[in-house]
Amino acid sequence: LAKTTQPISMDSYEGQEVNITCSHNNIATNDYITWYQQFPSQGPRFIIQGYKTKVTNEVASLFIPADRKSSTLSLPRVSLSDTAVYYCLVGPPPGSSNTGKLIFGQGTTLQVKP
Amino acid sequence: GAVVSQHPSRVICKSGTSVKIECRSLDFQATTMFWYRQFPKQSLMLMATSNEGSKATYEQGVEKDKFLINHASLTLSTLTVTSAHPEDSSFYICSARDLSNGYTEAFFGQGTRLTVV
Repeated sequence: LAKTTQPISMDSYEGQEVNITCSHNNIATNDYITWYQQFPSQGPRFIIQGYKTKVTNEVASLFIPADRKSSTLSLPRVSLSDTAVYYCLVGPPPGSSNTGKLIFGQGTTLQVKP
Repeated sequence: GAVVSQHPSRVICKSGTSVKIECRSLDFQATTMFWYRQFPKQSLMLMATSNEGSKATYEQGVEKDKFLINHASLTLSTLTVTSAHPEDSSFYICSARDLSNGYTEAFFGQGTRLTVV
């Protein structure tokens, strides 16, 4: 499983756009990139998943360059409730019948200030 | 979306006793579930993979005799911390993927805070 590297922490203010970049230089050809959010004393929650270019859903966008060695999670107009730890994971594609275990890196602690 | 439920959410036990944590997939079947442990200010650490109807697969460094895992049905996996000690105090989290939904995202339980006194 490819190793990921993220900034340990980031600060932002309410209403700003936040971009968190993750490096995954050893990503395999078939690997997908998935981001999870974790609030204190809760289990992680899926945010977004992608393979290449750009993916957007109702909460975030995921930008993946052509070489796929990094990815950027973009959170538009953050609020105080977006304060959490964000994890970038790389692994087998959806639908693969492997064990599907996820290995978490250190994550990025995002602190949103008023 | 699919829901994974853990019980209890919080437990305090005396040193030397055993504690059982349940993980249930509420609206989907999970042939495989995963158990994680998380210490304060740290990331999730995968402990083991729980396989329905067979033995669990433990990650390196995790004592299988101390952390007993049973996955007797497609919707229930249990983790028993045997002879718990204060150093076992941690946040335990389970997860599962929905096979019928093409193994997309993993769903996580709300976690169990174990405190051994």
